Amino acid sequence: GDSVTQMEGPVTLSEEAFLTINCTYTATGYPSLFWYVQYPGEGLQLLLKATKADDKGSNKGFEATYRKETTSFHLEKGSVQVSDSAVYFCALEENRDDKIIFGKGTRLHILP
Amino acid sequence: DGGITQSPKYLFRKEGQNVTLSCEQNLNHDAMYWYRQDPGQGLRLIYYSQIVNDFQKGDIAEGYSVSREKKESFPLTVTSAQKNPTAFYLCATHRGGGAVNEQFFGPGTRLTVL
Repeated sequence: GDSVTQMEGPVTLSEEAFLTINCTYTATGYPSLFWYVQYPGEGLQLLLKATKADDKGSNKGFEATYRKETTSFHLEKGSVQVSDSAVYFCALEENRDDKIIFGKGTRLHILP
Repeated sequence: DGGITQSPKYLFRKEGQNVTLSCEQNLNHDAMYWYRQDPGQGLRLIYYSQIVNDFQKGDIAEGYSVSREKKESFPLTVTSAQKNPTAFYLCATHRGGGAVNEQFFGPGTRLTVL
């Protein structure tokens, strides 16, 4: 079945460091891909998405490119801030069945 | 102001009691979902409903029940048959209809069994 694998955390970085959180997926078709962010004690919020190969999603300085050849959707940010501390989930939706499959999440700590 | 409301934010229950978690939305979305979140395990799908008066089991439905009598509401009942109910519960919606769109999440309810 479809699945999403993302790097285990926690990831701890200093402020202004470069961030990469790896995400790879397994799917039989051509899924849409998402990154969600969860701040402490809250629900998930959509951070960015990409619906076809080579699309780049971006928001709030974060970027991810849909790489079909490597089945990846890695999240990057050039200079992280303390306020970026949260849990990040990679996810996919396939077959337009309105169900989304989530990775296990990566906790990110940014130190001032 | 469109959104998803979950109540209560914190809920305490004694062992052996059933408890119902509320989820209300005014986004006019067709599909609604319940997830359970445990530390280090990500989100697991409990139940989902793509249309009023219809719902399907997710990956961990045992010990839970739902109803979808109105488009706006999708309450989740945690029954005494659920062996380990302490968790963070998230409700989500999706526009539905096969269009590619993200899910929208409520703020969550933290359930603790005493």
